[in-house]
Order: sequence, then C-alpha cells, then structure tokens
Amino acid sequence: GAGVSQSPSNKVTEKGKDVELRCDPISGHTALYWYRQSLGQGLEFLIYFQGNSAPDKSGLPSDRFSAERTGGSVSTLTIQRTQQEDSAVYLCASSSSGRGQPQHFGDGTRLSIL
Amino acid sequence: AQKITQTQPGMFVQEKEAVTLDCTYDTSDPSYGLFWYKQPSSGEMIFLIYQGSYDQQNATEGRYSLNFQKARKSANLVISASQLGDSAMYFCAMREGGAGGFKTIFGAGTRLFVKA
Repeated sequence: GAGVSQSPSNKVTEKGKDVELRCDPISGHTALYWYRQSLGQGLEFLIYFQGNSAPDKSGLPSDRFSAERTGGSVSTLTIQRTQQEDSAVYLCASSSSGRGQPQHFGDGTRLSIL
Repeated sequence: AQKITQTQPGMFVQEKEAVTLDCTYDTSDPSYGLFWYKQPSSGEMIFLIYQGSYDQQNATEGRYSLNFQKARKSANLVISASQLGDSAMYFCAMREGGAGGFKTIFGAGTRLFVKA
C-alpha cells in the first residue's frame, strides 16, 4: 500500500528564498508529524497535527517556520527567508489515533541552503 | 516536560552476541508509550517495538525485547544474536497522551556497529 510521501526529495535553494515542503500521509492517519534531522543527529521535533489542528507548535525554531494541514490529509511546511542553518533532512511521519500506534515515516526532503 | 535521553553515542557488539541500548525518559503524564526505531544508512526509519506505560510485561518482537523499568524510567532495547545487518542508528521515542493529542519526541540516538 501507499506509504507516506514527501516532496521534493531534494531541494537546493539560495539563502533568503522561501521553500515549501509537502507531506502526503497514509490515508486515514489522523496524526501527522514534522521533524528535522541534521547529518548524523537525532530527530528534532517541529510540530504535529491531530486532524487539521496543531496542538503543539513549540518545536518550530523561529517565526520563519510555519505549517498547515488541510482536509486532515496533506501538510505543508514552509520556511521563509531561508538561512544556511536550515539545511537538514525534514522528515514527515503519520500515525493512526492511539498511543500505541507507531509512526510511519516518509523518505524525507533533503534541504540545502547555499 | 517530556525528555528522552540516550547516553551511548556509539556501541560495538560482536556478531551473534546480545547488546543493550540504553534509554531513559522523563514525563509527568502517567499514560505514555515508548518506541524504538532503527535507521540504517539508507535513511529510512523502521519501527521495531512498542511498550505502553500500563503494560505489565516487557514487550518482545523477534530478536528485540524492551527492558522496561517503570520506577527507574528506563526502556532499554535488547537485541539478541546480533547480525551484521543490525548496524544502524537506533532511536528511542516517547509519546504522551492526554487532551492535547500524541506528541512524540525522540532521543539523540545510538549508533550500533556489529563486528564480524
């Protein structure tokens, strides 16, 4: 079956430009998560959605970062005025409701800021 | 506040031996779940095992078992009979429940090297 799909898989852009990263979760999954992973490091929590609502945005690094989810499905993570420190792999995951449901991850978007 | 700690940046194990990867956590929520994921060099995240805070028995999945010590707030992963293909990054994660939903955070990870 279809897994979590992220696009683009790679994005190279110049410092100061805006970027949009897309996540298409597994159909029926109500929870959606965004993480950032720098090379060889752990997963930094950014934001999660329950349906279209984001109960916890505490992980967003600055006001340049925003995310939305529409129709309880696709989510977009937007980074405005990108900086070199934004370079990382951005991972999206989705899960069914329930504390014991594991997350299913996409392959990530590798973002490189020149 | 939620916190997950993995104190072993790297671990070595001989093929066919068992290895324990440490994970401690902190939460004020009495209801939570603990997960372990594997990330090979290819980058994909693979779910290994889950333990609920109210589960009475330690979780097991094939060669993976979770040594859950609730009072110590630890959830160590035990891999038995290590294989070369077990070489990867391993992440411990915790999900809290409650009215806010199911925020999940990850530890810094442990890189496991299996020696032939």
